[in-house]
Amino acid sequence: KQEVTQIPAALSVPEGENLVLNCSFTDSAIYNLQWFRQDPGKGLTSLLLIQSSQREQTSGRLNASLDKSSGRSTLYIAASQPGDSATYLCAVRLNTGNQFYFGTGTSLTVIP
Amino acid sequence: SAVISQKPSRDICQRGTSLTIQCQVDSQVTMMFWYRQQPGQSLTLIATANQGSEATYESGFVIDKFPISRPNLTFSTLTVSNMSPEDSSIYLCSVGRGIDYGYTFGSGTRLTVV
Repeated sequence: KQEVTQIPAALSVPEGENLVLNCSFTDSAIYNLQWFRQDPGKGLTSLLLIQSSQREQTSGRLNASLDKSSGRSTLYIAASQPGDSATYLCAVRLNTGNQFYFGTGTSLTVIP
Repeated sequence: SAVISQKPSRDICQRGTSLTIQCQVDSQVTMMFWYRQQPGQSLTLIATANQGSEATYESGFVIDKFPISRPNLTFSTLTVSNMSPEDSSIYLCSVGRGIDYGYTFGSGTRLTVV
């Protein structure tokens, strides 16, 4: 069974700092990986989708990388802002089935 | 990407009652899913809602407790039956257009059972 781990569980940084969130998964036979953000008590907002054949994806201040062979993905946030404060979740989809396996998330607080 | 309207956004329910959650999508989608997020936990897939046939449930979830309907390609409901405080969670609807695309999530239903 796919296990997805996110480290750290919580992170607090001053505004303007660049930061990296980590996601690791045990089964490298993934089809794609998706990063989401979740605001307290809310649903999920998709940030970036990386196919297994891709190494990275960028959207604005966000950059996600994927190293399938080592079972790792990172989400890089540049010039963090208080509005970036949220929980960030990564989810992987295997080559078989439709299910996404979610990590436990990293709770980010950006201090003004 | 698809726009999802999920209702209700939150509810407080009495033990032993049932709540039906609706998920309406602005376009036809191939795949629809229902997830649960218990307090402090990540998301767990409850079932895949199949259009015109019975839903496919994940291990630990059963139809009697979580009946699901999907009458067409834009709408689905999840009912949480005979609720207990352990059912207090956020329930989320998710849709996908195909295997090469990511999934879109609804805004969630925050359920509290008292």
